[in-house]
Amino acid sequence: DTAVSQTPKYLVTQMGNDKSIKCEQNLGHDTMYWYKQDSKKFLKIMFSYNNKELIINETVPNRFSPKSPDKAHLNLHINSLELGDSAVYFCASSQGIANEKLFFGSGTQLSVL
Amino acid sequence: GQSLEQPSEVTAVEGAIVQINCTYQTSGFYGLSWYQQHDGGAPTFLSYNALDGLEETGRFSSFLSRSDSYGYLLLQELQMKDSASYFCAYRGYNKLIFGAGTRLAVHP
Repeated sequence: DTAVSQTPKYLVTQMGNDKSIKCEQNLGHDTMYWYKQDSKKFLKIMFSYNNKELIINETVPNRFSPKSPDKAHLNLHINSLELGDSAVYFCASSQGIANEKLFFGSGTQLSVL
Repeated sequence: GQSLEQPSEVTAVEGAIVQINCTYQTSGFYGLSWYQQHDGGAPTFLSYNALDGLEETGRFSSFLSRSDSYGYLLLQELQMKDSASYFCAYRGYNKLIFGAGTRLAVHP
């Protein structure tokens, strides 16, 4: 069983479209995250949720809206996609906010044309 | 301010030892983590140092010196499969902040 699974793995879309990425973890963790990795491999946090509550919103444009229906799921919806949104998006989870050990999903490569 | 600095690239040969350094600057510091990421893959946790000193896990060791705001990851008996990017990270307010990563290329 995959610990943190996210879908889809690849997403190719046109500018202006709306898309969603889904993430689920079966580790029983309380905390989930979205990270963005750009073409230079820089990993930057976007959001974190703890027990379904938003803890961190790292000055992400409001075109990005995370949703956590329960502790095991954290989805990311992106409106009006822009070229600059092209990146790899990683979902991750950890047991608690202060835990150093994050478990990452396999990533979603988003290409906006 | 907050920052992490690590070399962008390191090259080594199979069987050798390589050290990837990381210096940090932050107002609040709990410890230093290391992650490995193969091309096309997900970052995976390698180690965490909360206290000064060396932590060993198999061929990999990680070191921290709080007084020097410095740490390193030591990889011994390098194998081709160790070719990957390695990230140091520290905890900011409720989030893990990653360095820009060091790309390690292992050659035969």
